[in-house]
Amino acid sequence: EAQVTQNPRYLITVTGKKLTVTCSQNMNHEYMSWYRQDPGLGLRQIYYSMNVEVTDKGDVPEGYKVSRKEKRNFPLILESPSPNQTSLYFCASSGTYLYEQYFGPGTRLTVT
Amino acid sequence: EDKVVQSPLSLVVHEGDTVTLNCSYEVTNFRSLLWYKQEKKAPTFLFMLTSSGIEKKSGRLSSILDKKELFSILNITATQTGDSAVYLCAVTYYGGATNKLIFGTGTLLAVQP
Repeated sequence: EAQVTQNPRYLITVTGKKLTVTCSQNMNHEYMSWYRQDPGLGLRQIYYSMNVEVTDKGDVPEGYKVSRKEKRNFPLILESPSPNQTSLYFCASSGTYLYEQYFGPGTRLTVT
Repeated sequence: EDKVVQSPLSLVVHEGDTVTLNCSYEVTNFRSLLWYKQEKKAPTFLFMLTSSGIEKKSGRLSSILDKKELFSILNITATQTGDSAVYLCAVTYYGGATNKLIFGTGTLLAVQP
């Protein structure tokens, strides 16, 4: 089954404790992206990757890091999480940049 | 400032009604406009539009793009309770040296029995 998986699905952590949210797709897609979704602000792009070792900032990259060492994986790293990073995070992938994206199930992150 | 604006913010209709959702945008170097449906969690893809005036259709849903007036509409005919969701519009464009994508904040549709 074609899918995008994210782990963990739910995470409660404390300020400053480094964390990684994993994202993996099994569709051999080149393009992957991370979003955060907040009430009233909609989905905002954090980072995206056009291919292995090619990443670029989206609209809200501050406080986040990404890497794309393998085509299927695109982890999101929060080196020092803060409460304003409490949000619902989605990973997505598509065959090319312009076309339909497949979204993962989301990760609900709470930073206290 | 590049932006995507959806209207209305929310809408309540009865089963069988027809609804029209709007998405207007202001971006440079437009490339495509996409519609998604978001029910409980992850958005799911509905349509991608790149050319003006060509209607995309899938069952009771249809969408069209007007690149001159910079907007798109999503129509849903004979609505059903299963159409209740947030409908998201996204625009891809070429911004400076990089590709960009921005979403609107969505239209919340509630279909009552």
